[in-house]
Amino acid sequence: DSGVTQTPKHLITATGQRVTLRCSPRSGDLSVYWYQQSLDQGLQFLIQYYNGEERAKGNILERFSAQQFPDLHSELNLSSLELGDSALYFCASSVTGLAGVADTQYFGPGTRLTVL
Amino acid sequence: DAKTTQPNSMESNEEEPVHLPCNHSTISGTDYIHWYRQLPSQGPEYVIHGLTSNVNNRMASLAIAEDRKSSTLILHRATLRDAAVYYCILRGVLGSSNTGKLIFGQGTTLQVKP
Repeated sequence: DSGVTQTPKHLITATGQRVTLRCSPRSGDLSVYWYQQSLDQGLQFLIQYYNGEERAKGNILERFSAQQFPDLHSELNLSSLELGDSALYFCASSVTGLAGVADTQYFGPGTRLTVL
Repeated sequence: DAKTTQPNSMESNEEEPVHLPCNHSTISGTDYIHWYRQLPSQGPEYVIHGLTSNVNNRMASLAIAEDRKSSTLILHRATLRDAAVYYCILRGVLGSSNTGKLIFGQGTTLQVKP
């Protein structure tokens, strides 16, 4: 158990819909990352938050957005869903959010999103 | 971000050592070498990291070439539970990419045979 929790575990929805994925980081970790894993693209970094502020953006679509709340949990919002958005979405957390030596990332179990 | 190259797959027998190679010829002087692995149906997990010297922890050892252009993750006695995708990742300390994000390649799928 990494200490990172994600809800829900599974999500099935239809095209055009909007969903929210939730992540609670490990106690004491200030940075949260979101990654998408699909069969054809592998693991892709989406976005990072540090202590409530966006820190880095990766290959995140404009239809996707995220935020980190004062209690440090994070939500990833996916809207106007398409079939191609079906994937595993992982949240990770780390202490500092920097590329430093001790900045190990701890991953949650993921949310499997299926868009029908 | 500097790129790494790993074999797509490797096989090992249970209880034998496994050497997983990684090439990173464009590594910069401040890049750390990190290894993560992803067990089936789970999120990635940290394995080990190093800069210049060889490193050991309870999970594995990391051997880094003197010129730092390659490294090898060593599992001393593979178990069935070690069957996973192993990712070698370079993480810089300085510069605009200093955000901590992980850039995953395709990794090496390790199969462990009983």
